[in-house]
Formats: sequence, C-alpha cells, structure tokens
Amino acid sequence: NAGVTQTPKFRILKIGQSMTLQCAQDMNHNYMYWYRQDPGMGLKLIYYSVGAGITDKGEVPNGYNVSRSTTEDFPLRLELAAPSQTSVYFCASSSLDREGMPFFGQGTRLTVV
Amino acid sequence: AQSVTQLDSHVSVSEGTPVLLRCNYSSSYSPSLFWYVQHPNKGLQLLLKYTSAATLVKGINGFEAEFKKSETSFHLTKPSAHMSDAAEYFCVVVGQNFVFGPGTRLSVLP
Repeated sequence: NAGVTQTPKFRILKIGQSMTLQCAQDMNHNYMYWYRQDPGMGLKLIYYSVGAGITDKGEVPNGYNVSRSTTEDFPLRLELAAPSQTSVYFCASSSLDREGMPFFGQGTRLTVV
Repeated sequence: AQSVTQLDSHVSVSEGTPVLLRCNYSSSYSPSLFWYVQHPNKGLQLLLKYTSAATLVKGINGFEAEFKKSETSFHLTKPSAHMSDAAEYFCVVVGQNFVFGPGTRLSVLP
C-alpha cells in the first residue's frame, strides 16, 4: 500500500515563483491535512479538508491555497513564494472517526531563495 | 479548543536508563491522544495512541504512555533507552483537527 504520497521530495524556488505540492492517498480517507514544520519546531496546520469539495483554513493559511476535487488528492498551491515559506511540508490523511490516526507522507523540503 | 504542552524541549539520557517525555493536554471533551516520533530528516511515525480504551497504552519499540484524566497528562516512557531512540517526539491531541505539541528532542548518550 502506498499510503500518503507527496511529490516532489525537494524543491528550490525563487522569490515570487509559484508551485504546487502534490499529495495523494489511497486509503479512502475523508480527512486530509497540510502541515508545515519549521526548523526545530512542531507542526503547524496550514489547511485541512473533511471531504471532497470542502476545505478550511488552519493556523497558518496565508500565502497558500488548496483544493479537494477528489477524495484521493489534496494539492497545496504556493503563489508568489517568499523566504518565510522555506519549510518542510507534510501532508496527512485520516479516516472520519476520532480514532482514526493520521498517516503522514514523507514530506517536501522547500527552500525559497 | 484543544492544546498540547510538552514540558521539555530537550531531554538527554544515558543509554540503558529510563526515558520520560512529558505531555499535558487541554480538551473540552474526552480526547484521543497520540505520540509520534520523527528521526532526523525523516517523516513522522506513530508510536502509540490512546482512544478511550485502556489508560496504559503500549506502543512500538518498547514505549508506553499512561493517560491520566485527573492530571490531563499523557506522558511517554520507556524503561531502557537505546541509541536508536534519539529523535524528536510529538504529542498530538485530536479535536476537530490534530493539534501537535512543539516537540521534545531526545538525546541518548553512550
């Protein structure tokens, strides 16, 4: 089973460029999440989705956009990349019930220069 | 709203000695709680989870945690540390979303 797949694993962007971080899960999970992890820090929630067509802001949504057109995919869009967005990005998914533990992707390390 | 406090940002132990990583939570209802481990430059791996069943939860690699409602705590322990346990540990409380604590870095000295 693939679980949660994130692409790319690494990326360097120039200030002002845009890109999409891809996330796909094959577990038929309704909940999906995007987190960022800054060096030496915990994870902060950027956006989440409780199902296809439904997204909502997390703790740090500014500078990002998401969409959820299918259950499987939850891409994260960065418009006008800034150095403050240099971070490691983790996508996660979980089942609907409260006991559903989140499964994490391997992360995308993004550097904005 | 839920929140998580990990009382120690860094814990250092000698190999073979016990490990205690502390976690306190705040939740408006009976929570689900998890511990995740992250090795350097790696993703997050689930160690164990509490979901309102037994209050003492056993996880992988010899770790366990005890849910204490009266103390709103979910501390992670291991009887004997191994060098491979050196990593970052995150306590997570489940509410509408998964709320992560800031993490505790565990160092294991030879």
